[in-house]
Amino acid sequence: NAGVMQNPRHLVRRRGQEARLRCSPMKGHSHVYWYRQLPEEGLKFMVYLQKENIIDESGMPKERFSAEFPKEGPSILRIQQVVRGDSAAYFCASSPEIDQPQHFGDGTRLSIL
Amino acid sequence: EDQVTQSPEALRLQEGESSSLNCSYTVSGLRGLFWYRQDPGKGPEFLFTLYSAGEEKEKERLKATLTKKESFLHITAPKPEDSATYLCAVFTGTASKLTFGTGTRLQVTL
Repeated sequence: NAGVMQNPRHLVRRRGQEARLRCSPMKGHSHVYWYRQLPEEGLKFMVYLQKENIIDESGMPKERFSAEFPKEGPSILRIQQVVRGDSAAYFCASSPEIDQPQHFGDGTRLSIL
Repeated sequence: EDQVTQSPEALRLQEGESSSLNCSYTVSGLRGLFWYRQDPGKGPEFLFTLYSAGEEKEKERLKATLTKKESFLHITAPKPEDSATYLCAVFTGTASKLTFGTGTRLQVTL
């Protein structure tokens, strides 16, 4: 039973480029969450999605960030026109129901040059 | 706003030296408290869920307990492989997200 799969594991972008982070949830999980972890800080919630729907995006910056979870394929977190401050580890988690434990992938480490 | 505070920030133990990690929380409508373990370069690994005060869960050398204001993760006779950052997170009825503490970095030496 494969866990949550994230790719790429490491991503390097120059300022102004776009970053696309992918997340395939565990089999049977329809709830997907994205979190960001800055150095020396805790995990911060960004967005919660179910298939084709954004349920809660209260933790996501209003500009440059977007997320989707299409009917087919992985969830995508997109960051447009990246800046140095976007450098962080981005984690995806999934759960079978909203109040069940969330299981995390190993993250994508985004570095901005 | 939900708040989670973990202490200590870092803990160094010798192998076999038992101790406890603390997670105190201020939330409205707690629906669940989760403990995770995170190794360097990896994502959090789920350990326990606690849903109500008085509840206890055990797994190998770890035991988690919950009161109305805090949770403890007790580590009995730890081994070097228990070295990791232990994260506590709360889930409330008013939000769909987990609110995490900043973790306790545990190092167990021989």
